[in-house]
Amino acid sequence: DAKTTQPTSMDCAEGRAANLPCNHSTISGNEYVYWYRQIHSQGPQYIIHGLKNNETNEMASLIITEDRKSSTLILPHATLRDTAVYYCIVRVASNSGGYQKVTFGIGTKLQVIP
Amino acid sequence: GAVVSQHPSRVICKSGTSVKIECRSLDFQATTMFWYRQFPKQSLMLMATSNEGSKATYEQGVEKDKFLINHASLTLSTLTVTSAHPEDSSFYICSANPGTTNEQFFGPGTRLTVL
Repeated sequence: DAKTTQPTSMDCAEGRAANLPCNHSTISGNEYVYWYRQIHSQGPQYIIHGLKNNETNEMASLIITEDRKSSTLILPHATLRDTAVYYCIVRVASNSGGYQKVTFGIGTKLQVIP
Repeated sequence: GAVVSQHPSRVICKSGTSVKIECRSLDFQATTMFWYRQFPKQSLMLMATSNEGSKATYEQGVEKDKFLINHASLTLSTLTVTSAHPEDSSFYICSANPGTTNEQFFGPGTRLTVL
């Protein structure tokens, strides 16, 4: 799996959009970009993933650059409950199931400030 | 989404004892489950891959005789920390993939404290 680089920490005011960047310059053509978050003392939670098109769901939006070397996770209206460590991961994905381990980096610690 | 549970959520044991942690996929079958360990202020580190009906695959540096993994059914994997020592105190997390989606679903974690 390709390596990712994220800022160690970020602050965001409550109610504002949180934009979390991720660099993955060595991403391969068949690797997806995944985002997870981990709230303190809980297991990681899946947020969103994408291949090359921008994606949006009820939690967040994912913007992937045209060259796929970087992406940004956007939490449109951050709340205090969004305070967590956010992990950007790139990996091969398939629907055939089986062996798909996830390797975590350091992630970005997002602190939402009242 | 798919739900993964872990039991217990928190356990305290004496040094030298063994502790079993269960990981269950509640509403899907998972032929493969993964076990992670997370020390304070660090990221999750993959320990091993649990395969239903076969031996687990351990990551480099993880002692297979100390961390026993059993994946006896398509919905249950267990991790047994044998002869636990204080340095084994950590947050243990499992995950599973339903095989029908690209997502990986994680359990809530088990906090192990060895006295």
